[in-house]
Amino acid sequence: DAGITQSPRHKVTETGTPVTLRCHQTENHRYMYWYRQDPGHGLRLIHYSYGVKDTDKGEVSDGYSVSRSKTEDFLLTLESATSSQTSVYFCAISDQDRGQSSPLHFGNGTRLTVT
Amino acid sequence: RKEVEQDPGPFNVPEGATVAFNCTYSNSASQSFFWYRQDCRKEPKLLMSVYSSGNEDGRFTAQLNRASQYISLLIRDSKLSDSATYLCVGPHSGGYQKVTFGTGTKLQVIP
Repeated sequence: DAGITQSPRHKVTETGTPVTLRCHQTENHRYMYWYRQDPGHGLRLIHYSYGVKDTDKGEVSDGYSVSRSKTEDFLLTLESATSSQTSVYFCAISDQDRGQSSPLHFGNGTRLTVT
Repeated sequence: RKEVEQDPGPFNVPEGATVAFNCTYSNSASQSFFWYRQDCRKEPKLLMSVYSSGNEDGRFTAQLNRASQYISLLIRDSKLSDSATYLCVGPHSGGYQKVTFGTGTKLQVIP
């Protein structure tokens, strides 16, 4: 399995508090992604990164920010958590090459509950 | 229209049966497709890549039909352990750096 670690695995937080989720990889892959998965919606891209300090928005980026200061770490921050951000969050990595999509490899996920 | 669409199921099949899932896509220039398997409360895991002529891996066969813009996954001799949700994945209109996931097809193999 690809070396991807997400932390924490579970978190319960209150509305309005900041939350940071961490993704750590040992594969030295260039691309890292944050997805959320909700019933009826499938996996939706929040943000992704194509290198250190290089990030871009996905389809559901409102209310989220990301940072990538090192190749191996990609942080997802909810500045002020809302109940609509209760979800399962997956980090993924990929080694895209030559302009063709490559498969993503996922971490174990973080279950976030905002009360 | 969503970029990738698949029947949510559930597909309930007896052990030993052959089952097929289809996934339609909208971007006719798409080159790369994948099938993932996701078990309940687990992360998606890559099952197969589907390139131009499709491919086979044991009991699993993936095909690409460019004329009708769909990919398929065929599972032969279904096992109880095949019970899971199968996600179809295709390229994203925003570029090769991103992919689009279908919402998944749930398979339940019954003894």
